[in-house]
Amino acid sequence: DIQMTQSPSSLSASVGDRVTITCRASQSISNYLNWYQHKPGKAPKLLIYVASSLQSGVPSRFSGSGSGTDFTLTISSLQPEDFATYYCQQSYSTPYTFGQGTKLEIK
Amino acid sequence: QVQLQESGPGLVKPSETLSLTCTVSGGSISSYYWSWIRQPPGKGLEWIGYIYYSGSTSYNPSLKSRVTISVDTSKNQFSLKLTSVTAADTAVYYCARVGRSGYDEVDYWGQGTLVTVSS
Repeated sequence: DIQMTQSPSSLSASVGDRVTITCRASQSISNYLNWYQHKPGKAPKLLIYVASSLQSGVPSRFSGSGSGTDFTLTISSLQPEDFATYYCQQSYSTPYTFGQGTKLEIK
Repeated sequence: QVQLQESGPGLVKPSETLSLTCTVSGGSISSYYWSWIRQPPGKGLEWIGYIYYSGSTSYNPSLKSRVTISVDTSKNQFSLKLTSVTAADTAVYYCARVGRSGYDEVDYWGQGTLVTVSS
């Protein structure tokens, strides 16, 4: 199975901050990398697919980059509604696997 | 807007079979892959498997001997059965749709249902 490692595991930031979350795959996954936002009790939400494509309806402050084994999710200016847990996922080969999550908290 | 809703028992006894159904509304189940994903308490997300509307499946090898995913296009539903459950199968179970970009991202998720395995 391909292992996905996110860093950091948790992050404290303020409204307006620029935040970057990284995700590393244990082998090359080309650009088969997706990012999700998850709030407690809610359905997870797709933010970015194919490493850098913004899902329809997702604000442009979210962006993704990377290929091969190293990827990043950037939020350019944090908004109050962005405090949540973020997961990366590889969809290069089954079983599809997720990172352990990054919990973004208010400073 | 596509919506997915999981349903099924919230409590299952050890060694029995966990059965969940996902009802899809706001769109057809046809021409898509449909997936089950779970999250044990305090742990990460685990992909269980997916099914194409025509019935072809792919399962996580770690669960393959115990999992069956099926689809009922007439009801716009798909289902999960997990046999011989233990406490380790306690989790929030999500049903989800795989998008059609060709890169297998999950573009719609249900809200999830907690299934507890306990006697």
